[in-house]
Amino acid sequence: DTGVSQDPRHKITKRGQNVTFRCDPISEHNRLYWYRQTLGQGPEFLTYFQNEAQLEKSRLLSDRFSAERPKGSFSTLEIQRTEQGDSAMYLCASSLELGAIGTGGNQPQHFGDGTRLSIL
Amino acid sequence: AQSVTQLDSHVSVSEGTPVLLRCNYSSSYSPSLFWYVQHPNKGLQLLLKYTSAATLVKGINGFEAEFKKSETSFHLTKPSAHMSDAAEYFCVVSARGNQFYFGTGTSLTVIP
Repeated sequence: DTGVSQDPRHKITKRGQNVTFRCDPISEHNRLYWYRQTLGQGPEFLTYFQNEAQLEKSRLLSDRFSAERPKGSFSTLEIQRTEQGDSAMYLCASSLELGAIGTGGNQPQHFGDGTRLSIL
Repeated sequence: AQSVTQLDSHVSVSEGTPVLLRCNYSSSYSPSLFWYVQHPNKGLQLLLKYTSAATLVKGINGFEAEFKKSETSFHLTKPSAHMSDAAEYFCVVSARGNQFYFGTGTSLTVIP
């Protein structure tokens, strides 16, 4: 399968612990996006990368959230000092943008199956 | 600014009858619009997209949507519902900003 892969599928942890999620995009895609989805809501944009550059991070929910894409391939999303309100599905998506960096944004995004985070 | 309003949080149809899921958008620029479907505990799958070409867009699984600029709408339709269509549907707008704005979703129930 050459779709977007997320690991783990489920994560259960105690409040206050740090968690890290991994996303492997479709190999030829240069854009990678992270979203959070809570029950009964649509996905909420968090951040995105073009290649290794993080072009938008103002929508990250707090300074406890950070994301990296060091080599322009896979990405990680880390949440430090987790809180119960962090319980949600975290989705990753990727797309191929042919325009200059930071332009476009109209190509369909391909989503992974998500990581479900539960905070005890 | 961009936003999407899905007018119905739940829609129920009988198998074999038409489906209509309503979406209105707001955008400061010429938008790109998408419909995605999400089955339980799964990621989102693209149904169709509008990016300023033909206003009537055909997608997968028999779905189609019509872009109406005068009404700022992008409603999703299907002539005949199938049991496998039961899922959550999201209307999405994107315009220049490299961000997708999702609606709150419409849950489609198909009654046998």
